[in-house]
Amino acid sequence: DGGITQSPKYLFRKEGQNVTLSCEQNLNHDAMYWYRQDPGQGLRLIYYSQIVNDFQKGDIAEGYSVSREKKESFPLTVTSAQKNPTAFYLCASISGQGRGDEQFFGPGTRLTVL
Amino acid sequence: AQRVTQPEKLLSVFKGAPVELKCNYSYSGSPELFWYVQYSRQRLQLLLRHISRESIKGFTADLNKGETSFHLKKPFAQEEDSAMYYCALHNAGNMLTFGGGTRLMVKP
Repeated sequence: DGGITQSPKYLFRKEGQNVTLSCEQNLNHDAMYWYRQDPGQGLRLIYYSQIVNDFQKGDIAEGYSVSREKKESFPLTVTSAQKNPTAFYLCASISGQGRGDEQFFGPGTRLTVL
Repeated sequence: AQRVTQPEKLLSVFKGAPVELKCNYSYSGSPELFWYVQYSRQRLQLLLRHISRESIKGFTADLNKGETSFHLKKPFAQEEDSAMYYCALHNAGNMLTFGGGTRLMVKP
């Protein structure tokens, strides 16, 4: 089941700690995305990156940071500044060649703040 | 600003009944709309896209620009259709905006 992988599947964090969620893709896709999924709120965009070494804030970027040093990788750091980090986090990618393209999703990481 | 609205958080129907999941959008340009589905313990995946005008697993969706809607329909629901459904709009900046999702429960 290749394509997009996320690790870890479950992550527990103490308050005040930064944690980094991994996202890797072998689809040779240009664009990658991070979403947060909360019950009843759908998917909300945190950050996205259309090319290496470039990324943009989404709708809820506060308290998060990202990097895109390689095409295959787009890690997300949840910082201590994020007030309510407990959520399900989804990574996605798209080839970026056209607006009709399908977005492929990873299996997700569930983050719980203790 | 673009927005996608799915007014129903939960839709419950009996097996064999017709089903319609509603989606309304607001977008100033020409929209590219999608339906994504998340079955229990599976990844979120594409169900269908409006540009393909296809029917997948018996589902269809027609873009109505006058009503700014992209409702998902199936004439006879099956138990395996039970899942979370998301409507999404893809803008010119390569961003997807998702609706809040509708949980479909098909009862035997």
